Amino acid sequence: QQQVKQSPQSLIVQKGGIPIINCAYENTAFDYFPWYQQFPGKGPALLIAIRPDVSEKKEGRFTISFNKSAKQFSLHIMDSQPGDSATYFCAASLNSGGSNYKLTFGKGTLLTVNP
Amino acid sequence: EADIYQTPRYLVIGTGKKITLECSQTMGHDKMYWYQQDPGMELHLIHYSYGVNSTEKGDLSSESTVSRIRTEHFPLTLESARPSHTSQYLCASSDTGGLGELFFGEGSRLTVL
Repeated sequence: QQQVKQSPQSLIVQKGGIPIINCAYENTAFDYFPWYQQFPGKGPALLIAIRPDVSEKKEGRFTISFNKSAKQFSLHIMDSQPGDSATYFCAASLNSGGSNYKLTFGKGTLLTVNP
Repeated sequence: EADIYQTPRYLVIGTGKKITLECSQTMGHDKMYWYQQDPGMELHLIHYSYGVNSTEKGDLSSESTVSRIRTEHFPLTLESARPSHTSQYLCASSDTGGLGELFFGEGSRLTVL
């Protein structure tokens, strides 16, 4: 059973467009929702993250919108640039005991921003 | 910049060979992880460790094994590689207070012929 569902699988936008990537989760015990960005040949890197007591978080051109009642969250990239072309993963973190947390990843979205 | 290193970055070997993928981190993180990444992108947790002498299997069953004798080192071993083991292997670490934030290495791409 996939606990974090991510869509779309791939996305193509023109430079300056606003790509939106959506994720939905099942487990209400998740308490931290990060997004990771992965460029070809590199490992994923943390991009931005949100706690469930906040409905929106912005860092530069990246915004997370969070809807706790719908158990959904999304990533918006304002004024997208070709350099934003990468694979994006949403994730959800669950405390698995003490100070231990376990991340569950979505399947990823391949974003292409055309010049 | 995360200080987590994986070697080799690329490895092509024949079936039946024993291989070890190395992972080291200099951040003093107590938690370390191995993920297998499909060509289709999805990340699968195959092993994790919450500290020295502690290792657990992840969500995806794997024929590989791991060890954690030192905090900074978390190698992954395949005793007898097969073509089905061909994949990208990503090592990651996190600290106790990081809410699960992971720092990833650049990966080891394994091809078994």
